[in-house]
Amino acid sequence: QKEVEQNSGPLSVPEGAIASLNCTYSDRGSQSFFWYRQYSGKSPELIMSIYSNGDKEDGRFTAQLNKASQYVSLLIRDSQPSDSATYLCAVRQAGKSTFGDGTTLTVKP
Amino acid sequence: GAGVSQSPRYKVAKRGQDVALRCDPISGHVSLFWYQQALGQGPEFLTYFQNEAQLDKSGLPSDRFFAERPEGSVSTLKIQRTQQEDSAVYLCASSFGQGVNEQFFGPGTRLTVL
Repeated sequence: QKEVEQNSGPLSVPEGAIASLNCTYSDRGSQSFFWYRQYSGKSPELIMSIYSNGDKEDGRFTAQLNKASQYVSLLIRDSQPSDSATYLCAVRQAGKSTFGDGTTLTVKP
Repeated sequence: GAGVSQSPRYKVAKRGQDVALRCDPISGHVSLFWYQQALGQGPEFLTYFQNEAQLDKSGLPSDRFFAERPEGSVSTLKIQRTQQEDSAVYLCASSFGQGVNEQFFGPGTRLTVL
């Protein structure tokens, strides 16, 4: 079992809909949590960071963290075709980050 | 520069050759990280520096892999006697503070070992 698990997808949503991406992790000592977006052939781009339980909103993106359930999610509101990419969940303890294998999102016009 | 830079962007090596991959972090960033990303997978942690000190090298897959950051800025990842399984994208990231801060990635070096 991987330390960070994500549904590989593909997840397909229509333009304007809400996309929901989920991630679970196994290390209870994890301190910080990140979502990255990665377009094909490009490097990961940081979207959101979250450090404490609850919700954190930034524009169309909302990250949710539940440390008791070892669960972190990302909601994308008003999805756009340009949001089509692979979304990587990363969990960090001290300097070491552990990534999931990503969920591929397709937003259909 | 404004972001993390890496060179070369592409490298083709014959099996058994040594390669050196360079990373220039964002100016002022204390921490520097190396990752290996295989096709269809997430980045895998290799090693982590805080200034010139290598604090964690637990992800280096073998003793053929070596990383250094002698002056606490530019870093080099060296792979000796390359093997086909070393083919991957090697990503470098930097962060301003210590390990828990946000990391910003460079464009990566795509290594192909023939």
